Amino acid sequence: SAVISQKPSRDICQRGTSLTIQCQVDSQVTMMFWYRQQPGQSLTLIATANQGSEATYESGFVIDKFPISRPNLTFSTLTVSNMSPEDSSIYLCIALFGGEQYFGPGTRLTVT
Amino acid sequence: GENVEQHPSTLSVQEGDSAVIKCTYSDSASNYFPWYKQELGKRPQLIIDIRSNVGEKKDQRIAVTLNKTAKHFSLHITETQPEDSAVYFCAALTGGGSNYKLTFGKGTLLTVNP
Repeated sequence: SAVISQKPSRDICQRGTSLTIQCQVDSQVTMMFWYRQQPGQSLTLIATANQGSEATYESGFVIDKFPISRPNLTFSTLTVSNMSPEDSSIYLCIALFGGEQYFGPGTRLTVT
Repeated sequence: GENVEQHPSTLSVQEGDSAVIKCTYSDSASNYFPWYKQELGKRPQLIIDIRSNVGEKKDQRIAVTLNKTAKHFSLHITETQPEDSAVYFCAALTGGGSNYKLTFGKGTLLTVNP
């Protein structure tokens, strides 16, 4: 199995600032993904974090707003840039390992 | 891309009754279908899953069925208990090699009344 941790667990940020969320896995994983879960909503894929290359973004999400890094097989970061209240959400890191999906605990972001 | 529809959005049952949640998917290449339970303030937890080469899978009070021809799959919970109350998400996994994508349904809020 794999254990995923995220930092920070929550944050309150001001409009116009940026926040970088870290995702750490205790095993080398093939795939890492970043999802957003807005209040009372489902999980929406932001992008696939590719090791050693640019992330693959879903429709509606762009690199300038959500830059992603994945320097190795156990670590990734997601930055939420130039935040607005609409970015208030839970951001989840999900990893595929051994054919199973593992969820990070999530980062609860509130933008004021 | 894949689109997963989930129904109903809310479901209320009496303790001891059965609950059924249905999902349809659009991409016939999807080959893995997990179900997650999310309690308030917690991350989703995998409760059961099924692969495309299987029609039905059961784990105690929970079962999942898959109809590949119709592209739909369902979660069945029998003898429901108040602790089954949560939001349930279905999902479909598409792809292979280094190109996977997990698409979620919109969720079902299940309330089990004692």
